[in-house]
Formats: sequence, C-alpha cells, structure tokens
Amino acid sequence: QKEVEQDPGPLSVPEGAIVSLNCTYSNSAFQYFMWYRQYSRKGPELLMYTYSSGNKEDGRFTAQVDKSSKYISLFIRDSQPSDSATYLCAMSSAYSGAGSYQLTFGKGTKLSVIP
Amino acid sequence: GAVVSQHPSRVICKSGTSVKIECRSLDFQATTMFWYRQFPKQSLMLMATSNEGSKATYEQGVEKDKFLINHASLTLSTLTVTSAHPEDSSFYICSARVAGAHNEQFFGPGTRLTVL
Repeated sequence: QKEVEQDPGPLSVPEGAIVSLNCTYSNSAFQYFMWYRQYSRKGPELLMYTYSSGNKEDGRFTAQVDKSSKYISLFIRDSQPSDSATYLCAMSSAYSGAGSYQLTFGKGTKLSVIP
Repeated sequence: GAVVSQHPSRVICKSGTSVKIECRSLDFQATTMFWYRQFPKQSLMLMATSNEGSKATYEQGVEKDKFLINHASLTLSTLTVTSAHPEDSSFYICSARVAGAHNEQFFGPGTRLTVL
C-alpha cells in the first residue's frame, strides 16, 4: 500500500459545480496537510495548508482533514474553467531528523472544468 | 505569498555536458530547499533535501555525483546535472521551506531540461 493514495482522474465537471477531491494515507505520523494546484508545465502552487484535523476555508476552497479516518479532502465551490489543473495532496510529519519536513505527495488528480 | 524563482526555465543541451539550475527564494530565507523531478503525467519525485551550509541528503537511487547540489546561502540553492544523458531529460522543480515557520513549502516554476 502506498503511503498516499489519490485518484488520478481525469475529473470533468461543468462550470459552477462543486468539486470534491480527496486523498487517503496510511502513515499516522502525518500531521501537516497541503493541497497544491499545478498547471501544465508549471511548478505547484500552494492552495491550502492545514495542521492536524479540522476544516479550513479560503474563498471558494475548503480543506478538510479527518485524521481518525486518514482522509483529507479539498472542496472547490462555484468551479471555474481557470480551476482546470492537476491538484496534488501532500503531507508531512512533525518529527525532526533527516527526513523532517519532507513532503509525501499523492499522484495528483487532473481536473477539467467545462464552460 | 512566498516567491521562489528558478533559472533557467528551459534548457536544451548536448549529451555529456553539465547543466546548472538555480533556485532562489526571493522574499524570504529558506533554511531548507528541496529538489524534485517530475516525468510527464507523474507526481513529483523527491531527489534531495538541501540544508544551508551542509551537504545535501539524497533519496535512495539518486546519484549524488551526478546531481550536485549546493546550498551556499539562505536564498540560493543550485542543482548541477553532470554529464547529462537523454534519460536525464525531465522537469526539475525546487521548493523552499520558510525558516522558522511550519512545514509549508513553496515551489519554483520548474526547469524543463532536454538532453539531445
């Protein structure tokens, strides 16, 4: 079992739809959870950052973390064609040492928002 | 937000030559920088972790003599691909962790390397 599982899609939705993206993970040491958006041939852009369990909202984006289920989600409300990109979940643990602060990424979900 | 730049954005070189890629944190100090490579339609693969003033830590399977990393200052890390071969062609991306902050990493725009 991989440490982080993410459905690669592709996922196509009509403009204005609510998009739900999610990742599951197996390492209970993960405490920091991030969502990145990556446009084609560009570097990933940090969208959301959360620590431990809970919800975080930023504009049209909501990130949820359920550590008991080892499940994280990103919701996009009122999706726009400009949201079309690959969304990567990433996570890391809080311990210090040689591997500290390293991110473990999901494979990314390719999203297309159709006008 | 924190800005990370990479230079060059695109490079084409002949087999056997060396290529240097620069990664700079423009508006913050980065004690730790990371180098990734990404193949088409694949996720990011961590190559090495670079801490300012010390030797980089390479991931298993990454040749440290081939991928030379230098992190001489809190705002600059360089990756040199030595004696490049066509199989080294890839998208190389760096990221920087904000010193003293949480675990947020900010990524550069990437460098597309093509080795002929």
